[in-house]
Order: sequence, then structure tokens, then C-alpha cells
Amino acid sequence: DSGVTQTPKHLITATGQRVTLRCSPRSGDLSVYWYQQSLDQGLQFLIQYYNGEERAKGNILERFSAQQFPDLHSELNLSSLELGDSALYFCASSGGLAGHTGELFFGEGSRLTVL
Amino acid sequence: GDSVTQMEGPVTLSEEAFLTINCTYTATGYPSLFWYVQYPGEGLQLLLKATKADDKGSNKGFEATYRKETTSFHLEKGSVQVSDSAVYFCALSRIHQGAQKLVFGQGTRLTINP
Repeated sequence: DSGVTQTPKHLITATGQRVTLRCSPRSGDLSVYWYQQSLDQGLQFLIQYYNGEERAKGNILERFSAQQFPDLHSELNLSSLELGDSALYFCASSGGLAGHTGELFFGEGSRLTVL
Repeated sequence: GDSVTQMEGPVTLSEEAFLTINCTYTATGYPSLFWYVQYPGEGLQLLLKATKADDKGSNKGFEATYRKETTSFHLEKGSVQVSDSAVYFCALSRIHQGAQKLVFGQGTRLTINP
């Protein structure tokens, strides 16, 4: 158990819909990362938050947005869903910003299926 | 920009075989290097890491040495088990503009047959 909790574990929805994925980081971790894992297993970095502020942005579509709340949990919002958005979405957390060892702790993922 | 290139999979071996999964990287500065493992149906978890040149990371019989001269961090295990079947990701991490930047390779799927 990594200590990172993601909900829901599975989600099936239709094209054009909007969903919200939720992540609770490990206790005490300030950084939250979101990754998308496609069927070909590659991991795409989407976005990073540190203590409520956006710190880095990767290949995140404009239809996607995220935020980190004062209690440090994070939500990833996916809107106007397309078939190609079907994937596993992982949240990861780490303790610090700079001067950190680099280890991330991953949740078990939210599997999104768009029909 | 920073990048990680892994040996393409899938890799299929018999139990007790020797394993090598190649990983090379491109990065400015002095990144830390990692191997993460993803077992079926689970999230990624750290397998081993090395934070500076010539460091050797090891865990569960796996080893990898940080080779700055060849920009490599190859994963090895002397005798694999069926339970090692998983997807393995090589990754680098460095601080960029005050934020930690982690870059993953594309992953290598390993299957061990009894």
C-alpha cells in the first residue's frame, strides 16, 4: 500500500461527458502528479501541483484541468470526453519540491472507459 | 530536453534466466535515476534508485549501476522468477526551475515462464 488513494477505480462513460478523478496523497506529501497510461503502456505526464500551486505542466489537453485543494487532495477534471481518452489515470505524490530524492508514490489508478 | 530510452519489449524469459533491460538517458545536469515496476493491476512502485555516478541501486535481486560515461542505467537480475513478470520503467529525475521533473521511459513488459 503506497498510501496514495484514488477514486473511482473504474469509470465508464460516454463521449462528450465530463468526469472528475480524485486523489488523496500520502500523509504529509505536498506534491501531486497526474499521469495518463495508454493501452500501449506508455506513461504521459499531465500536470504537477505543489502545496496547492501548479508547478509543471506536461502533455495535458485543454479539455483537461486539475487542481490541488488546501487539504492537499487533488482532482483531475476531464471534459468533452473522446474515445481516445480511455486510459488509466495515475496519481502520484512526493514529499517535497527541490532537494528531494525523486521517489514518487503511486496510487492504483483510475481506469476510464469512454464508449 | 530530457529523455529516457528503454529496450523495447515484450521480453519473455524462462525461470532462472539472466535478465538485462537496457536504459539510456539524455539530461542536462546530474539527474537521479530510477527503476519502477508495475505488477499486473497495480500502480508503479519504486524498485531501486541511484543518485550519483557509479552508484549501484539494488533491491529484490535486481541491480543497476549509474554510468555517466555511457549515460546508462541498465537493469539486471541473475535469476528471474515467475513473480518478476511485470512492466519495468526506467526514469530520471532532476530539479528544473525549482520543481522536480520526472521523466519515464516507455516501459518494458517482462514475462517469465515456468
